[in-house]
Amino acid sequence: GAVVSQHPSWVICKSGTSVKIECRSLDFQATTMFWYRQFPKQSLMLMATSNEGSKATYEQGVEKDKFLINHASLTLSTLTVTSAHPEDSSFYICSASIQGPYEQYFGPGTRLTVT
Amino acid sequence: AQSVSQHNHHVILSEAASLELGCNYSYGGTVNLFWYVQYPGQHLQLLLKYFSGDPLVKGIKGFEAEFIKSKFSFNLRKPSVQWSDTAEYFCAVTPKAAGNKLTFGGGTRVLVKP
Repeated sequence: GAVVSQHPSWVICKSGTSVKIECRSLDFQATTMFWYRQFPKQSLMLMATSNEGSKATYEQGVEKDKFLINHASLTLSTLTVTSAHPEDSSFYICSASIQGPYEQYFGPGTRLTVT
Repeated sequence: AQSVSQHNHHVILSEAASLELGCNYSYGGTVNLFWYVQYPGQHLQLLLKYFSGDPLVKGIKGFEAEFIKSKFSFNLRKPSVQWSDTAEYFCAVTPKAAGNKLTFGGGTRVLVKP
């Protein structure tokens, strides 16, 4: 149980275009979803926290207009990287949690390459 | 803001050797503590967690960790590693007051030689 999927797993886009990444909790309803960014050989950096039906809370230094997060249902959150640039190339990972145990279940990640 | 430090960036050891990975955090309040593992090409998986109670926590695959409150530490141990333990290990902390917002350490890459 507690499976989280991400789609796509890998995407290449041209500079200036926008890319949407989906995060789904497959067998549970997630009260909260989180979006992380992982640079090569580095740790995960929390970008934002989203609760279903409300606006996402972004971490300091993360541009909310660039990284649009929508949490439309208890099983789906999306991250849209708008006007992507090569420096946005990274591994984006989502996680989902069920209220109470404070445990997060991680998706497999999406590798974004901006050319 | 809280921070999490993992002392070793890379560890190389042989099969059957014992493993200990250090993790220290800076936060004065009550915390929940986690160790996650990321096998090559796979997603993060929870190894073990500590919320309260017995400070010696046993997780999956023979791993255990000990919470020492006075040292702000949560070190991960395994008495005898296998080649399949080759992975990256992340310590993570969430202050109880912050809900379930995780702060990760920098990670430790462990390579087990067969």
